[in-house]
Amino acid sequence: EAQVTQNPRYLITVTGKKLTVTCSQNMNHEYMSWYRQDPGLGLRQIYYSMNVEVTDKGDVPEGYKVSRKEKRNFPLILESPSPNQTSLYFCASSLSFASGEQYFGPGTRLTVT
Amino acid sequence: QKEVEQNSGPLSVPEGAIASLNCTYSDRGSQSFFWYRQYSGKSPELIMFIYSNGDKEDGRFTAQLNKASQYVSLLIRDSQPSDSATYLCAVKAGNQFYFGTGTSLTVIP
Repeated sequence: EAQVTQNPRYLITVTGKKLTVTCSQNMNHEYMSWYRQDPGLGLRQIYYSMNVEVTDKGDVPEGYKVSRKEKRNFPLILESPSPNQTSLYFCASSLSFASGEQYFGPGTRLTVT
Repeated sequence: QKEVEQNSGPLSVPEGAIASLNCTYSDRGSQSFFWYRQYSGKSPELIMFIYSNGDKEDGRFTAQLNKASQYVSLLIRDSQPSDSATYLCAVKAGNQFYFGTGTSLTVIP
C-alpha cells in the first residue's frame, strides 16, 4: 500500500530533550516536506527537500533540523524542544515538486512541557 | 510573506445543496492550486488541483481558478453529510507550498 508513515504518533516530552520524528514514504517520491499545524495558523511549512541531500528552509524553520540521506526517509529533529513547539506535525511527499500533489502522513502530536 | 486566505466558516449547507468554498492568494507568481479535505483528527487528503484559469471538474467537485483576481474556489455539488470536514486551500509558489487556515463545512442531513 502506498503510504507516508510517521513515528511516533504521539509524544510528550520535556523542554530541552532532543527528539526525532521519523517520516518514510514507499512511493519513490522526490519531494518531501514537514509542516506544523496550529489552531488559527493553519499548516506552515518547516523544511522541505527536493531530493536526496537537497533540503531547504520553509517559513518556520527555527528550532528544527532535517536530513535527507535516503530518498524514502526525511526525519525531523528537534535538538532542544521548547513549549512553543507543541503542535501537530505532518510529513508529506509528492512525486516531484513540479507535480505538487502531496500525500500526507497521519501526523504526530507533540507536547513539550 | 505569501498569504492564502479562506473564510474560516463554519459553512452549513443542507444535504443535496451546492457548497461553495473560496480562497484568495497574495502572490501573483503562484503556479498551482490545490484543495485538501481534512476530517477532524485526520491528515489532509488531496481532492482537487488546478493549474490553469477556468474550471476543472471531477465528479461532484469543481475547482475554479481566476489568476487575474487571485481567486480559487471549490464547488461541491449534491453535498453529502460525509463531506462535512475542513477544506484547505493550498498554493504552490517558488519552491514552497502555502496553506490557508481552512473552511469548516457542515452538511446537514
